[in-house]
Amino acid sequence: AQRVTQPEKLLSVFKGAPVELKCNYSYSGSPELFWYVQYSRQRLQLLLRHISRESIKGFTADLNKGETSFHLKKPFAQEEDSAMYYCALNGDSNYQLIWGAGTKLIIKP
Amino acid sequence: GAVVSQHPSWVICKSGTSVKIECRSLDFQATTMFWYRQFPKQSLMLMATSNEGSKATYEQGVEKDKFLINHASLTLSTLTVTSAHPEDSSFYICSAVVANNEQFFGPGTRLTVL
Repeated sequence: AQRVTQPEKLLSVFKGAPVELKCNYSYSGSPELFWYVQYSRQRLQLLLRHISRESIKGFTADLNKGETSFHLKKPFAQEEDSAMYYCALNGDSNYQLIWGAGTKLIIKP
Repeated sequence: GAVVSQHPSWVICKSGTSVKIECRSLDFQATTMFWYRQFPKQSLMLMATSNEGSKATYEQGVEKDKFLINHASLTLSTLTVTSAHPEDSSFYICSAVVANNEQFFGPGTRLTVL
């Protein structure tokens, strides 16, 4: 079964500290993985996708097929990074995304 | 980037009435749109896939007669909550898919049923 797991509901780190939001997936084929972010009172928006291999707002994520993970990382957290982060997987079904439960990231000053 | 709008952003209705929510892609055409429901402090729950010119595909457990979806044009999908009850109160979000498989989200509609 297709599944996305974000084990941490809440992650709180100090400004300037490294951040890693975990995402593991279950999918038998070649998945396409995404990270979406929702800032307070704003709509969901795409942060990055694994096929583009970009670094957005200092965040990176590497697809590790051996560990079936797509963890989101940033070396130095900023206060404006506080938001809800969702990991999502697109398998083979009509653009549908399988969503993780989300992780609320709080950056403490 | 692509812009998706929703209208209304907030609606309060009496129990038993119907409410229509619109989702529009403002600067692009979307053959596929999705409707989600989001409960407080929870993740998105996919309700249905809306395809232009065809019937919507509903997820298991979502009543198609209660949540009517119409995707009559390439820029508009509507979700009608029929005979709404307090348990239908929620945040409803739509998204539209662009050619590179990216989804753009609307700002959401807060529905409160009294």
